[in-house]
Parts: sequence; structure tokens; C-alpha cells
Amino acid sequence: QKEVEQNSGPLSVPEGAIASLNCTYSDRGSQSFFWYRQYSGKSPELIMSIYSNGDKEDGRFTAQLNKASQYVSLLIRDSQPSDSATYLCAVNTPYNFNKFYFGSGTKLNVKP
Amino acid sequence: DAGVTQSPTHLIKTRGQQVTLRCSPKSGHDTVSWYQQALGQGPQFIFQYYEEEERQRGNFPDRFSGHQFPNYSSELNVNALLLGDSALYLCASSLYLPGLALNEQFFGPGTRLTVL
Repeated sequence: QKEVEQNSGPLSVPEGAIASLNCTYSDRGSQSFFWYRQYSGKSPELIMSIYSNGDKEDGRFTAQLNKASQYVSLLIRDSQPSDSATYLCAVNTPYNFNKFYFGSGTKLNVKP
Repeated sequence: DAGVTQSPTHLIKTRGQQVTLRCSPKSGHDTVSWYQQALGQGPQFIFQYYEEEERQRGNFPDRFSGHQFPNYSSELNVNALLLGDSALYLCASSLYLPGLALNEQFFGPGTRLTVL
């Protein structure tokens, strides 16, 4: 079982819609959760961090965390073509010296 | 505030050669992690350096080695290159905060290594 699992997609949504990206993790000791956006040929860019159960909003992005279900999600409201990228979920455990585990990413296509 | 920097941007080598990649962490960060990202895959953890020592290692052979300098910059060395080593090599930096969850990690632009 992989530490972090994501649906590879592609997930296609029309411009202006809500894109919902999901991620599950296996280590119940994980305490930090991150979403990175990666454009083709570029390096990952950190867009959201979440540490507590519930929702965290930042502009058009909302991260949701449910530790009991070991589930993290990212919602992108009013999706734009510029949001088309691969979204990587990452988890971290404080007892593991900042070692991050990454999912393989979900490719998002936002159609104009 | 300078972010994470890496050099070179691109590199072409032949099988059996050796390569050294370099990374400077974000200002204020003390921990450097290296990742290998093959096409269509998520980043795979190679190893992490803190206080000039390798603190964690992923499932990579001994051909992959590294170093961290007193100024926190780091090098990744790969010996006896194989075709399968072709990938994007990413350096990420963070600030080690023992026991705390606030440990965001930021990536550099990466080095694209092609082995022919």
C-alpha cells in the first residue's frame, strides 16, 4: 500500500466550475498535509497547507482534512484554464524528521 | 528573499558517468531534501540532510550520495549513471521544527538530467 494515494485523472472541468481533488494516506501519525501544483516541466509549487481537521480557505482554494478517515481534499472554485496542472498531495509526520510522502498527482484540465 | 536555487538547469550525460547537482536552500532554512521525479510520477524521496549529516534515506542505491555544507547548501552525486536515472531532480528546503507541524517544504526549479 502506498503512503499517499491519488486518482491520476485526468479530471476535466469547465471554466468557472468547482474542481475537487482527493487524496488518502495510510499513516495515522501524519500531522501535516500539503497540496502542491505542478505545471508541465516545472517544479512543484506549494499552494495549501493544513494541519487541523476541517476546512482551510485561501482565495479560490479550500483544503479539507478528515484525520479519522485519513482523507485530504482540495477544492478549486471558479476554475480557470490557468489552473490546469498536476496537483500533488503530500503528507508529513513530525516524528519522521520532515520526510514528505507524495502522491503521484492528479492531472486537472480546465476547459475554456 | 531568495527561494531555493538549483544548478545546473539541464544536464546531459552518458551511461557510466558521474554527475553532481547543487542546491541552495531558501533563506532561513536548515534542512535540504532531494527527490527524483520521473515523467508522470510524484517526487520520490532520495535523502535528507540536516546539520551536515544524512538524516533520512529513501529506497535508492549507494550510487546516490550527497553532502551538506556549513552554509546549508547541498550537493547530490550520482555515480555510474544508468539510463533509468534520467529524471527531474528536485531539491526542497525546510526549517526543522522538532515536534511541530509547521514544516512547509519549498522546491527549487529542478535539474533535468538526461542519460544517453
